[in-house]
This record gives sequence, structure tokens and C-alpha cells, in this order.
Amino acid sequence: EDQVTQSPEALRLQEGESSSLNCSYTVSGLRGLFWYRQDPGKGPEFLFTLYSAGEEKEKERLKATLTKKESFLHITAPKPEDSATYLCAVQIMNRDDKIIFGKGTRLHILP
Amino acid sequence: NAGVTQTPKFQVLKTGQSMTLQCAQDMNHNSMYWYRQDPGMGLRLIYYSASEGTTDKGEVPNGYNVSRLNKREFSLRLESAAPSQTSVYFCASSEGPWKQYFGPGTRLTVT
Repeated sequence: EDQVTQSPEALRLQEGESSSLNCSYTVSGLRGLFWYRQDPGKGPEFLFTLYSAGEEKEKERLKATLTKKESFLHITAPKPEDSATYLCAVQIMNRDDKIIFGKGTRLHILP
Repeated sequence: NAGVTQTPKFQVLKTGQSMTLQCAQDMNHNSMYWYRQDPGMGLRLIYYSASEGTTDKGEVPNGYNVSRLNKREFSLRLESAAPSQTSVYFCASSEGPWKQYFGPGTRLTVT
């Protein structure tokens, strides 16, 4: 069964304390993996797309990486404004481009 | 450029009432989607439309109907609302099977 699992469910960090969020997936074929950021009361906002193992993408304090089984979202020296829920989604090949979302990681950065 | 807009922002219904959630996008995207987001469940796809004139069921279509009115608009209808349909509903659009742009959401409560 196709599945996307994110861990941890919630993470509290001090400002400047770097860490990583995990997204592990089990799918029949990966077309692409997406990371989104969601602020309270708003819709998800696109961050990155990764297509193949070994690929990396960066944006400000965020870096996303991809292996054959999982993706990491690395947050370097986070600031309070990085507090949000981070969602991972996987697009499955040959399944009408079906997209499955993980349940998200709630990240809280303390000043 | 408004992106994806949704109306209404909030709605309270009584069990058995019907209503239609409206969604419009101004990015000339072919694909549009309806999701629901519940605590602890993540985003789940209700219906999607790969192009004008086509619609397909997602993961949780029961109790809902959709209409792709034209390329810009995609509506979601609840014919007889149930408390289990209390949720936050997001509309999204994309150009093919790539990154999605989400609307701000509709918070629906069914009593």
C-alpha cells in the first residue's frame, strides 16, 4: 500500500538550533516528492520538488534531500518565523499521478 | 494576480442541509483539486479535475459532488451535510502533475 509517513509529529527548537524533519515513503513508483509549508489558518505553500535520489534543493535556511526511501528537510539556524507545519507529498507514477500527503510536522521555533 | 480563491471562508450548516463551495483560479491551470484537512489525518483528496470537462474521484469522495464549470472554476457540493464532513476544505490548482497552488481554505462546521 502506498504510504507517506512524516516524523516527528511536532518539534520545538531554540532559535539557531539546527535540525531535520523526515518524510519516509513506500510507493510503487515515485514521480516526484514535494515539500510544502503551512501557516495556521492558511493553505499550504509550495517549497520544493525533488525527482530523483541524490537530488538536493535549497531555499534560505531550508535544504531538502531525497533518497530512494525518504526525504529530509534540513533547517539551519532557524528563526521564529520558520515556525509552521511542514507537509511532505509524494506523486505516484502510473497511478493517474495520484498524490499522497503525509500528516505533517509542526515546527515551533522559540526565540 | 489573485491565484486560487475560495468562497465562503467560513460556513456553519445543520445536518441535512446542502451547500456548494466555490473555487476559482486565474493562472490558466488545467488541473484542479479539492482536499479536506482534518486534525491527525493530513490532507486527503476528495475529487480532482485533470482538465475542463473531466472529473475523477480521489481518496474520500463519498457524500460530495463536483462540477468543473470552466477552466477557471471548480465547485464542490455537499448534498446532505453530515457532522463527519466538518473539516477545512482546500482547493488547489496545478499545470499538469506538478506543484500545486492552494487556496486559503473554507472552514465548515456541520452541527
